[in-house]
Amino acid sequence: SQQGEEDPQALSIQEGENATMNCSYKTSINNLQWYRQNSGRGLVHLILIRSNEREKHSGRLRVTLDTSKKSSSLLITASRAADTASYFCATAPYNTDKLIFGTGTRLQVFP
Amino acid sequence: GAGVSQSPSNKVTEKGKDVELRCDPISGHTALYWYRQSLGQGLEFLIYFQGNSAPDKSGLPSDRFSAERTGGSVSTLTIQRTQQEDSAVYLCASSSFRQGAELFFGEGSRLTVL
Repeated sequence: SQQGEEDPQALSIQEGENATMNCSYKTSINNLQWYRQNSGRGLVHLILIRSNEREKHSGRLRVTLDTSKKSSSLLITASRAADTASYFCATAPYNTDKLIFGTGTRLQVFP
Repeated sequence: GAGVSQSPSNKVTEKGKDVELRCDPISGHTALYWYRQSLGQGLEFLIYFQGNSAPDKSGLPSDRFSAERTGGSVSTLTIQRTQQEDSAVYLCASSSFRQGAELFFGEGSRLTVL
């Protein structure tokens, strides 16, 4: 079964606005990662946050992690049309080597 | 190689036929993963390899699915007696470290079972 659930399932915004996506998961984790997938392509790693970290930044991306609530959020600031893609969270459950992916959020950024 | 390579990129087959999907990971990556993605859906974990051994096969949907990895490099996912519900994109990824490191994905093999 899926480890992560993301919401919203779909999000439409205008260029320049911020986009926030949320991810919830079920078990204790080593880390949580966010990936991006353009339509019909493979996934590309965006950012990794460890279980002992609460916030991390990379360029226009900001990720938070709340292990007590088993949730994470991805914020994309000043969005661009090129940010249009599906975004997935992936968790590394404690004591396993596999990554379990969430259901994804489809982001549409209109110029 | 420069990235993870998967072949074929597209495969159309008839119900009941066997198919083989191939993955060439990034050179030196010890971990290799197979996922399945149905249209508009998330990624379903199938199996992962550490070297040539597969510590976790829990995601394989049925005994029609099998995978092997040789020489710590190339992996083949085999689906026997394909069914229409096997139609999906099969994604391969590799990683250089254990315990949930960053994955590098191939572009996937799109399988259509008629």
